[in-house]
Amino acid sequence: SAVISQKPSRDICQRGTSLTIQCQVDSQVTMMFWYRQQPGQSLTLIATANQGSEATYESGFVIDKFPISRPNLTFSTLTVSNMSPEDSSIYLCSVDTGGGTDTQYFGPGTRLTVL
Amino acid sequence: QKEVEQNSGPLSVPEGAIASLNCTYSDRVSQSFFWYRQYSGKSPELIMSIYSNGDKEDGRFTAQLNKASQYVSLLIRDSQPSDSATYLCAVGDSGYSTLTFGKGTMLLVSP
Repeated sequence: SAVISQKPSRDICQRGTSLTIQCQVDSQVTMMFWYRQQPGQSLTLIATANQGSEATYESGFVIDKFPISRPNLTFSTLTVSNMSPEDSSIYLCSVDTGGGTDTQYFGPGTRLTVL
Repeated sequence: QKEVEQNSGPLSVPEGAIASLNCTYSDRVSQSFFWYRQYSGKSPELIMSIYSNGDKEDGRFTAQLNKASQYVSLLIRDSQPSDSATYLCAVGDSGYSTLTFGKGTMLLVSP
């Protein structure tokens, strides 16, 4: 498994502003993922972040709205840009620890409220 | 589009009973299957993974996979109130790929 931390754990933001969420892992991992979980819903994948390459976004998510950085094998950021109340959600990062098992472990999440 | 279906519940069982959680998936080439537990306000926690047809046991948990029927289940024996949570089924292709999650089944274990 892996120990994953996220910052901030929660935030309340104003409409039109941006928030950058950080995800730190205690070991080097190739693949990191960013998910959104809206109230009462399951997880929706936003993008896959591989070190050294551009993030791969899922349908319905675009880089201008959710820019992602992956500067090294233990760290990634997700920015939620030009926020609206519809962006209020829990944002989760996860990591695949490798070995071809597809196993993912999740960070504690960031609870975002947009007013 | 890959789909993973779960009964939303809630599934209510008395303490000490067996809880049976079910999941079906649409993509026949899926190779990896996972059960996550998510307590309210917390992030998902991996409980079980299964890759081959049949049963896999880990303590009070047993995962069952039937690829021909595109069906995976989780049995929880001797259910405890602390097992009350939402259980997410996730399905992936083999090797460095994304997972598709179901909407989860809420389990309530009453003392």
